[in-house]
Amino acid sequence: NAGVMQNPRHLVRRRGQEARLRCSPMKGHSHVYWYRQLPEEGLKFMVYLQKENIIDESGMPKERFSAEFPKEGPSILRIQQVVRGDSAAYFCASSPQGPGQGNSPLHFGNGTRLTVT
Amino acid sequence: ILNVEQSPQSLHVQEGDSTNFTCSFPSSNFYALHWYRWETAKSPEALFVMTLNGDEKKKGRISATLNTKEGYSYLYIKGSQPEDSATYLCAFIGPDYKLSFGAGTTVTVRA
Repeated sequence: NAGVMQNPRHLVRRRGQEARLRCSPMKGHSHVYWYRQLPEEGLKFMVYLQKENIIDESGMPKERFSAEFPKEGPSILRIQQVVRGDSAAYFCASSPQGPGQGNSPLHFGNGTRLTVT
Repeated sequence: ILNVEQSPQSLHVQEGDSTNFTCSFPSSNFYALHWYRWETAKSPEALFVMTLNGDEKKKGRISATLNTKEGYSYLYIKGSQPEDSATYLCAFIGPDYKLSFGAGTTVTVRA
């Protein structure tokens, strides 16, 4: 019974390169959330997606960041032209229902630690 | 962005002692509150989902209470054990159904 799978666990990119972070939600979960944890800070909401739809991207920087959750395959968080300030841990979480339906808790992956050199 | 505050930021407790800490959130437009435990090198795990004022939830030696009218929730650990060492996160859900996390309370249990 696989939980939320994120890969890679660690990702090193040079400034200006692209970073792609993958998240496979738990089986049966169609709601995916991405959070960022900066050093010494808590979890900050980035984006909430449902299959093929972005529901809420209010926490996502306007430039360079994008997310998708296609009908088939994992959710992808893409960061273009990375800068040192993008270095952080990125966590994905999934749930079977949206936060307004049934009060399901989130199931988190182990995160991807991005280091920009 | 909703203001969800947790206090204290960190605490140390002797093995066997009990402890508690607080999550404060906006008292208006409450929908639900989640508590998560986050152990080092692992991912956050859900402890409780609380929805009603006066709710009390319990899981082993850990319990939580909820006061939506005044906007706070307490998490209690009874008879702390080393395996309780973790960061405890609360997340508030308001009318827009977004989860807003607090910064967490890091608990260290000393043997």
